[in-house]
Amino acid sequence: AQTVTQSQPEMSVQEAETVTLSCTYDTSESDYYLFWYKQPPSRQMILVIRQEAYKQQNATENRFSVNFQKAAKSFSLKISDSQLGDAAMYFCAYRSAGDDKIIFGKGTRLHILP
Amino acid sequence: DTGVSQDPRHKITKRGQNVTFRCDPISEHNRLYWYRQTLGQGPEFLTYFQNEAQLEKSRLLSDRFSAERPKGSFSTLEIQRTEQGDSAMYLCASSLVWGAAGANVLTFGAGSRLTVL
Repeated sequence: AQTVTQSQPEMSVQEAETVTLSCTYDTSESDYYLFWYKQPPSRQMILVIRQEAYKQQNATENRFSVNFQKAAKSFSLKISDSQLGDAAMYFCAYRSAGDDKIIFGKGTRLHILP
Repeated sequence: DTGVSQDPRHKITKRGQNVTFRCDPISEHNRLYWYRQTLGQGPEFLTYFQNEAQLEKSRLLSDRFSAERPKGSFSTLEIQRTEQGDSAMYLCASSLVWGAAGANVLTFGAGSRLTVL
């Protein structure tokens, strides 16, 4: 069965600095999708960034970028120029191309220090 | 479009009672998912629908749980004879999928928090 592991339950970063959240996953599939979702306190989960496994180029969305290492099954999220509004739970997630459900990690709570 | 709506946002009930949650997805979305999220954990898949058809149910979904999407629009999740272990956030999400699922990006609602006393 596929699993997603986020080894950092909590992290803190100074405002305007850069932080990297780690994620590893286990799968025997070759075609899949990876996601980072953000869940602010008491608010709904929103998609931050996604990566198709067949693409070698790392996805980027403004201040958010990923480091996708397919052989190592690693998918880290880098947040540049951290802002107070980035404070949230961040979930790494996986979906096999042959499946319809997304599997989530346990999350990393990110604190932004002013 | 106001996104995915869930009601109620918070439900407190006594053990043994039945509860029902409602989810209104984005109107043009054909897929609807239910997830459960307990404290300190990521969301766990429960079930999903394509239009009105329930296509998959997790083993987490015991016989006390039932979900419906009668007209392919809103969905309900009912929990019968609630137990304290059912206390969790129940998340609904929807997506639009044609043919091959592609990335199948989910749009989540704010969740319905259940507290069983």
